[in-house]
Amino acid sequence: NAGVTQTPKFRVLKTGQSMTLLCAQDMNHEYMYWYRQDPGMGLRLIHYSVGEGTTAKGEVPDGYNVSRLKKQNFLLGLESAAPSQTSVYFCASSLRQGAYGANVLTFGAGSRLTVL
Amino acid sequence: SQQGEEDPQALSIQEGENATMNCSYKTSINNLQWYRQNSGRGLVHLILIRSNEREKHSGRLRVTLDTSKKSSSLLITASRAADTASYFCATVPYSGGYQKVTFGIGTKLQVIP
Repeated sequence: NAGVTQTPKFRVLKTGQSMTLLCAQDMNHEYMYWYRQDPGMGLRLIHYSVGEGTTAKGEVPDGYNVSRLKKQNFLLGLESAAPSQTSVYFCASSLRQGAYGANVLTFGAGSRLTVL
Repeated sequence: SQQGEEDPQALSIQEGENATMNCSYKTSINNLQWYRQNSGRGLVHLILIRSNEREKHSGRLRVTLDTSKKSSSLLITASRAADTASYFCATVPYSGGYQKVTFGIGTKLQVIP
C-alpha cells in the first residue's frame, strides 16, 4: 500500500500565483488533515475533513481553501500565494473517531512550497 | 496554539545511552501520542497512551503519562544512530464530536555514533 501520497513534493511560486496541493490515501480513512510545519512552530492544523464532502477550519486556515470531493482525496488550494505561506505542508489521514486506532495519523512525505 | 510542549528542544547523546524527552500539555486529554520525524520526511506514529494508562512499552520505547501533572515522557533505551530524529508529542482532547490532534514543537535528538 502507498499510504498517503502528496503531490507535488516541491514547488516555487511567485507572490499572487495560485496552486493546489493534492493528497491521496488508499487506506479508506475517514479523516484527512492538512498541516504546515515551520521552524520553531511545530505542526499547525490548516484544515481538516471528517468525511467525503465535509471540511472544517483548523488553527491557521486564512489564505487556504480545501475540498474533499472523493473520500480518498483532500486538496489544499492557495488562491493568491504570499511569502508567509512558504512552508512544508503535510497531509495526514486517520480512521473514524471511536474505531480502534482512531486519531492515529498516517502522514505523507510532505510538500515543500516556496513563495517568492 | 500548541497544546503540547516538549522539553528539551534539543538533545545530544552518545550511542548506547538512554534518551528522555518530556511533554507537558494544558487541557484534559483522551490520549497522548508520540511521533518521530526523520529529516526531510513525514511524521511516523510511535506509540499511543490513553488517559487511563500510566505506562506503556513498545520495544525500546517507554512512555509514561501523569494526568495530574499533565505531562508525559518518552524514554528511548540503548539509543542508536538511527534514532536521530525529531520527536513530537501529540494530544487528543476530551471533548464531544471530532477530537483534534494537536502537536508540540518537538525535541530534536542527535545520537552520536
